[in-house]
Amino acid sequence: QKEVEQDPGPLSVPEGAIVSLNCTYSNSAFQYFMWYRQYSRKGPELLMYTYSSGNKEDGRFTAQVDKSSKYISLFIRDSQPSDSATYLCAIYNQGGKLIFGQGTELSVKP
Amino acid sequence: KAGVTQTPRYLIKTRGQQVTLSCSPISGHRSVSWYQQTPGQGLQFLFEYFSETQRNKGNFPGRFSGRQFSNSRSEMNVSTLELGDSALYLCASSRSGSRTDTQYFGPGTRLTVL
Repeated sequence: QKEVEQDPGPLSVPEGAIVSLNCTYSNSAFQYFMWYRQYSRKGPELLMYTYSSGNKEDGRFTAQVDKSSKYISLFIRDSQPSDSATYLCAIYNQGGKLIFGQGTELSVKP
Repeated sequence: KAGVTQTPRYLIKTRGQQVTLSCSPISGHRSVSWYQQTPGQGLQFLFEYFSETQRNKGNFPGRFSGRQFSNSRSEMNVSTLELGDSALYLCASSRSGSRTDTQYFGPGTRLTVL
């Protein structure tokens, strides 16, 4: 079983839509959860970081961790064409390695 | 503040050759991690160096090796290249490599093995 799993998409939405991106993870002991954004021909950049459970909001972005379901989500409100990118969830496993999901390719159409 | 730089940006090699990739971290960052990104496997952790010592290692064969210098710059070496080694190789730096540190990624080196 993979430590973190993510639907690779692709996902296409109209401008202004609410986007929901999701990952599941295997070990309830994981505590550190991240979302990265990767534009074409660039390295990933950290978007959101959450420790343990709950919600974290930053502008149009909200990260949510549901530890009972082992489920992490990223919501993007009022999506913009500039949000078109690949979104990767990531967790630190028990060995201290940063493990990434497969990435979801998002396209926001004007 | 300059970001993480990686050289070269693109590389074409043939099977059996070896390759060395370079990463210069953000000034003041002492931890450098390397990742391999492919369409099939996604982003996979290779290894992490801190203060010239390998601190963590992913599940890659021994053909993949690395080192870190006293100025925190790091190199990654792949020997006896295989077609499956074609990938984007990313390095990331952080201050101390702790789980609460942000990792900053470079643009990557695109390696093509023919």
